[in-house]
Amino acid sequence: QKEVEQDPGPLSVPEGAIVSLNCTYSNSAFQYFMWYRQYSRKGPELLMYTYSSGNKEDGRFTAQVDKSSKYISLFIRDSQPSDSATYLCATTSGAGKSTFGDGTTLTVKP
Amino acid sequence: DADVTQTPRNRITKTGKRIMLECSQTKGHDRMYWYRQDPGLGLRLIYYSFDVKDINKGEISDGYSVSRQAQAKFSLSLESAIPNQTALYFCATSDPSRGAGETLETQYFGPGTRLLVL
Repeated sequence: QKEVEQDPGPLSVPEGAIVSLNCTYSNSAFQYFMWYRQYSRKGPELLMYTYSSGNKEDGRFTAQVDKSSKYISLFIRDSQPSDSATYLCATTSGAGKSTFGDGTTLTVKP
Repeated sequence: DADVTQTPRNRITKTGKRIMLECSQTKGHDRMYWYRQDPGLGLRLIYYSFDVKDINKGEISDGYSVSRQAQAKFSLSLESAIPNQTALYFCATSDPSRGAGETLETQYFGPGTRLLVL
């Protein structure tokens, strides 16, 4: 079993839709939960992260972690065509190394 | 991406050839990583180095070797390339001084090298 499982997608939504991206993880030692965004032909770039459980909001993006169920979510409100990218969830215990999900490719259609 | 550069950006090679992928960074970070990305398999760690004298295997190191020539340079070699090493390869860096408690040690990725082994 992989340590981080991500809903595979791909996902295609109309502009303005609310998007929900989800992952589960298995290792209780993980404390940081990250979302990376990867545009086509680019390297991944950290979008946001949460430490331990709870929610974190940054503009149209909300990251949510439920450690009791080992569930990670990213919500995108009022999605825009510029949000079209592959989104990777990742976890780490903090010491540099990260474990990544397989990624979900999102397309937001104008 | 400009802080972490990878060369070449694209490479086609034949089975059995030895090739080297190079990574340079101007971020001054001690920690560097090599990942490969395959469709449906996400990012998988090949090797990582926490300083110039430290090299560690990741989850898929077989068939690969690395060299940390300096703090700023970390190269990945395929000693005898095979077709299932066709993938997108990423170098990344991180800084342990910027991660403690609720502050994450963020990884910064290069633009990637697209490798095709025929």
